[in-house]
Amino acid sequence: TQLLEQSPQFLSIQEGENLTVYCNSSSVFSSLQWYRQEPGEGPVLLVTVVTGGEVKKLKRLTFQFGDARKDSSLHITAAQPGDTGLYLCAGRSGTYKYIFGTGTRLKVLA
Amino acid sequence: DAGVIQSPRHEVTEMGQEVTLRCKPISGHDYLFWYRQTMMRGLELLIYFNNNVPIDDSGMPEDRFSAKMPNASFSTLKIQPSEPRDSAVYFCASVPTEGNTIYFGEGSWLTVV
Repeated sequence: TQLLEQSPQFLSIQEGENLTVYCNSSSVFSSLQWYRQEPGEGPVLLVTVVTGGEVKKLKRLTFQFGDARKDSSLHITAAQPGDTGLYLCAGRSGTYKYIFGTGTRLKVLA
Repeated sequence: DAGVIQSPRHEVTEMGQEVTLRCKPISGHDYLFWYRQTMMRGLELLIYFNNNVPIDDSGMPEDRFSAKMPNASFSTLKIQPSEPRDSAVYFCASVPTEGNTIYFGEGSWLTVV
């Protein structure tokens, strides 16, 4: 069974702080995605990383795919209340099978 | 453009009753997924279809669960009989063949009492 473990599970920080969320697995994935989910809605894609070692930036968010394509990290600089939500990583296994991580629930306090 | 449409949005039912959740994927998307989300287990893949054909149903919890996709624009997930432990948010999602973005519906919130 492929598992994606995320850490931390919960994170509560003050506005302006930096944070990093980790996504780890013992399995290799062909690509890895990060999603954000807000209450009452479905997850929405933030980014897809494909190549081992790849780094992508989306405004204040930086995503990295591990060299071995088994892990990934999401770093947020100067967090804002609008960043509050559930962050999910998802690994692609096989043709179109996506396995989701356990999730990190972030709360940014004003 | 309309996104993935799910119905009902909320359902409360009694244990033992049959529950049918419905999904209309985004037009032109060839892949359809059913996920279940709970606090304890997170977002679990139940089953996915490609061109209306079930490809992988290894995540379906037991025989009480069944899913069908009679055509490219409609899918159902049925639970019969329902049990309290089936209470969760059930998401339908679709992916275009040439893309890799999963587009989720807003979910169906199921409570079995």
